[in-house]
Amino acid sequence: EAGVTQFPSHSVIEKGQTVTLRCDPISGHDNLYWYRRVMGKEIKFLLHFVKESKQDESGMPNNRFLAERTGGTYSTLKVQPAELEDSGVYFCASSQDLASGRAGEQFFGPGTRLTVL
Amino acid sequence: AQSVTQLGSHVSVSEGALVLLRCNYSSSVPPYLFWYVQYPNQGLQLLLKYTSAATLVKGINGFEAEFKKSETSFHLTKPSAHMSDAAEYFCAVINSNTGFQKLVFGTGTRLLVSP
Repeated sequence: EAGVTQFPSHSVIEKGQTVTLRCDPISGHDNLYWYRRVMGKEIKFLLHFVKESKQDESGMPNNRFLAERTGGTYSTLKVQPAELEDSGVYFCASSQDLASGRAGEQFFGPGTRLTVL
Repeated sequence: AQSVTQLGSHVSVSEGALVLLRCNYSSSVPPYLFWYVQYPNQGLQLLLKYTSAATLVKGINGFEAEFKKSETSFHLTKPSAHMSDAAEYFCAVINSNTGFQKLVFGTGTRLLVSP
């Protein structure tokens, strides 16, 4: 079974540019999450999709961040325009539906390291 | 609100020595607790989890953790460290207030293992 994949693994952009991160969850996982780790700090929740619907986007920093999950499969996270403080590692995770009895077990991808210069 | 505190951003041990990584949590309702490990250039991997069953939880690679409600702790231990255990370890909490969907992490502890 393939794990959660993320693309790109690294991205270096200039302040003011746009970057789009992609996440492919484990096949069949309805729940998809985005988290971010700013250097030296804790991993913080950004948002949660169930299929194509946003269930919780309370962690999104501001309106420069836009997440989508069209068709309920892969997800993209766009940052436009990027600022210096957006630098960090962006993790994606997926999990099965709660009904499976495995609530809370989230499988993480390797992350995308974003550097904004 | 829920939170996690991991004492020590870095822990150094010798190969064969006991590993103890500390985690204290705060949760207004019964929590589920997790330890994740991140090896270089890899994603977070679940080591073990506590979900209100047995308080002593055994995980992969010889790690275990004990849930102590009175101390609000969930420390991670391994009797004998191996060089391959060098990685960053994250404690996380989740509870019903967020529908068991939003993991709240500590700041992580990097384990260094010397020969």
